[in-house]
Amino acid sequence: AQSVTQLDSHVSVSEGTPVLLRCNYSSSYSPSLFWYVQHPNKGLQLLLKYTSAATLVKGINGFEAEFKKSETSFHLTKPSAHMSDAAEYFCVVSGGYSSASKIIFGSGTRLSIRP
Amino acid sequence: DSGVTQTPKHLITATGQRVTLRCSPRSGDLSVYWYQQSLDQGLQFLIHYYNGEERAKGNILERFSAQQFPDLHSELNLSSLELGDSALYFCASSPDPGTNEKLFFGSGTQLSVL
Repeated sequence: AQSVTQLDSHVSVSEGTPVLLRCNYSSSYSPSLFWYVQHPNKGLQLLLKYTSAATLVKGINGFEAEFKKSETSFHLTKPSAHMSDAAEYFCVVSGGYSSASKIIFGSGTRLSIRP
Repeated sequence: DSGVTQTPKHLITATGQRVTLRCSPRSGDLSVYWYQQSLDQGLQFLIHYYNGEERAKGNILERFSAQQFPDLHSELNLSSLELGDSALYFCASSPDPGTNEKLFFGSGTQLSVL
């Protein structure tokens, strides 16, 4: 069974300060993990993905995430927030290459950026 | 632009009606996924098709059905609509039947049931 928990429903940071969006997962398989971003009135866009290569994954727009197996975490970070980062962020876990496998989305974290 | 096209963008209908949502995947992508996004339920996986065959089912109601056609476009049919079916419905595609490849999302169909 797989599950994903995003620990914060809403995060607010000031422009230019670091961003941390937290995600914990549970998976019976060696998981693939993703972060997607959804800007208002838009579809979801992939930020980055982890598939058992390097544990530190770099994505688009300066975001990165670190896979920590011991902590079952895949937190998303960015050193310096920009106003355009304001959006909803989804952590996603998937695993297994079977017809019954599903992609599980977290409940989302809304990121607000204060000027 | 993800390359995934969903039509219509907005749909307003009444309870008890039936609607069809359409999705054209990226060129060459064989997998199509449908998701429902609402404020109270978040993003819910509905169903996955690969090359015309159903591969996985999620939280899809019996009033809902989907299919993928030989040209790989997909349709999601919602019948006997209820107020609670109001949501944003996303389609996503990927080239692969598995789950390790990234998904490319359309911009969604906003369904309002009045």
